[in-house]
Amino acid sequence: DQQVKQNSPSLSVQEGRISILNCDYTNSMFDYFLWYKKYPAEGPTFLISISSIKDKNEDGRFTVFLNKSAKHLSLHIVPSQPGDSAVYFCAASGGGTGNQFYFGTGTSLTVIP
Amino acid sequence: KAGVTQTPRYLIKTRGQQVTLSCSPISGHRSVSWYQQTPGQGLQFLFEYFSETQRNKGNFPGRFSGRQFSNSRSEMNVSTLELGDSALYLCASSRQGVGQPQHFGDGTRLSIL
Repeated sequence: DQQVKQNSPSLSVQEGRISILNCDYTNSMFDYFLWYKKYPAEGPTFLISISSIKDKNEDGRFTVFLNKSAKHLSLHIVPSQPGDSAVYFCAASGGGTGNQFYFGTGTSLTVIP
Repeated sequence: KAGVTQTPRYLIKTRGQQVTLSCSPISGHRSVSWYQQTPGQGLQFLFEYFSETQRNKGNFPGRFSGRQFSNSRSEMNVSTLELGDSALYLCASSRQGVGQPQHFGDGTRLSIL
């Protein structure tokens, strides 16, 4: 049972434009959401997070939006750069003990120069 | 600051054998989690350890086990290997506290022949 879903396996964007990556979740108990970036042959790298008490969090070119009523979050990258080409995973946690995260299946972003 | 270190990076085994993977967390991180990544499945949570105790467990058979030592280093063991166990195994560490970002190692690529 996939509690966190990324329905777009891939996305291509022109350099300088906005990249929007989407993520949906089913468990209303989740209260922390994170985005990770992964290059081939490397482990995922933490990008940005948001807690359920907020609806937006910004860090430089990266902004995460959370819509709790729709159980949806998105990552905006503006402007997109070729170095942003990677697989992006969203993850969620909450409602239990410890620090267990549920990950989506990832979206492969290609930024075209 | 040293990151999460996983050894070995690559491993080839045959069906029926067993394997032990090692993970050294970031200094000061007491929570260690293990994930299995296969194509199309994203990161599947195996288990989380904190202070030498298993705090959370994913939906994997009992052939998958782990432990954590007093210095927070962790090992994962898979017995009676099956072809379907071929995957990238990722270890992540984090500080204490719900929602703390997990920091990943580069993984161990396990191939079963």
